[in-house]
Amino acid sequence: NAGVTQTPKFQVLKTGQSMTLQCAQDMNHNSMYWYRQDPGMGLRLIYYSASEGTTDKGEVPNGYNVSRLNKREFSLRLESAAPSQTSVYFCASPRGARTSGSITDTQYFGPGTRLTVL
Amino acid sequence: GENVEQHPSTLSVQEGDSAVIKCTYSDSASNYFPWYKQELGKRPQLIIDIRSNVGEKKDQRIAVTLNKTAKHFSLHITETQPEDSAVYFCAASTNYQLIWGAGTKLIIKP
Repeated sequence: NAGVTQTPKFQVLKTGQSMTLQCAQDMNHNSMYWYRQDPGMGLRLIYYSASEGTTDKGEVPNGYNVSRLNKREFSLRLESAAPSQTSVYFCASPRGARTSGSITDTQYFGPGTRLTVL
Repeated sequence: GENVEQHPSTLSVQEGDSAVIKCTYSDSASNYFPWYKQELGKRPQLIIDIRSNVGEKKDQRIAVTLNKTAKHFSLHITETQPEDSAVYFCAASTNYQLIWGAGTKLIIKP
């Protein structure tokens, strides 16, 4: 039982290049989330998927797209990378089904992807 | 929308002393307040959480208190140890999202 896995662990891109960050969970959770973490700013939500087949924007969605491929996998795509997207990206999946429209249980995080855009 | 403020940004305490980190939130509809610990280069991990129908929760050396009227909640760590050194984040739930504080770097001095 690996929990939440992410690939790659590290990536360096040039401005304008594209890439996809992969995330998978084996906990049979409904929801999956993508965050970015910048120094001194905590975690900011990019996109989330409350259940298979649905995706919604979070706090900072501009410049990103997502795909909920199936219940296990949720990918994040940067179509044209910019230096402002240099960050650490975490995928997360909360335990428990959607109840009352809120997250009320442990979020399990992947190990993170450290992305640098030159 | 929800906004979470966390203070202080850095906290330095002597080993064995207590540490307190405070967060305030703006959305009175928020009903779940977790605290996460993140060690350098690692992923955040839940250490304790509290729901809006509870005023206080304790787990060994860690406790969280919630004041719904004032819209603030606090993390208390007693008898601090070197392994408590990390960045701590608070968060508040709203709809399907967690809104996070900016983090507190806790330094334990020997």
